[in-house]
Amino acid sequence: AQTVTQSQPEMSVQEAETVTLSCTYDTSESDYYLFWYKQPPSRQMILVIRQEAYKQQNATENRFSVNFQKAAKSFSLKISDSQLGDAAMYFCAYLMNRDDKIIFGKGTRLHILP
Amino acid sequence: DAGVTQSPTHLIKTRGQQVTLRCSPKSGHDTVSWYQQALGQGPQFIFQYYEEEERQRGNFPDRFSGHQFPNYSSELNVNALLLGDSALYLCASSRLPWLEETQYFGPGTRLLVL
Repeated sequence: AQTVTQSQPEMSVQEAETVTLSCTYDTSESDYYLFWYKQPPSRQMILVIRQEAYKQQNATENRFSVNFQKAAKSFSLKISDSQLGDAAMYFCAYLMNRDDKIIFGKGTRLHILP
Repeated sequence: DAGVTQSPTHLIKTRGQQVTLRCSPKSGHDTVSWYQQALGQGPQFIFQYYEEEERQRGNFPDRFSGHQFPNYSSELNVNALLLGDSALYLCASSRLPWLEETQYFGPGTRLLVL
């Protein structure tokens, strides 16, 4: 069965600094998708970034980028120039191709220090 | 363009009761997935509905059932509530084949079972 592990329950970063959130996953599949979702106190789950496993190039969305290491089954999220609005729970998630259910990690709570 | 909406926002029930949660998908979406998020955990997939039928189901008992209407909105029903059913219930909508589109989440319904 596929699993997603986030080993950092909480992290803190100074405003304007860079922070990296870690995620590892376990799968025997070769065709899948990985995501980072953000869940602020409002509870709404918001997609931050998405990576297709068949793509070598790491995905980037403005201040957010990933380091996707397929062989190591690692998928970390880097947030540059951290802002107060980045404070939230961040979930790493996996979806096997042609499947319907997203598998989430337990999350990392990110605090932004002013 | 309205996003995914859910009702009610909060709900308090007692053990043994039944509850119905509602979800309206994002405009243009035809697929609805339900997730249960216990406190401090990542969301867990309950089931997905497409064309008014359950496409896939996670590891949840038959007490959890659902329905999708012709307008693509969906209901989640939970019978014989247990204390352990207390959680945030998230609805996500997408368009099949959904990989052309991200799963968009609603704000959730917080259920408390006393």
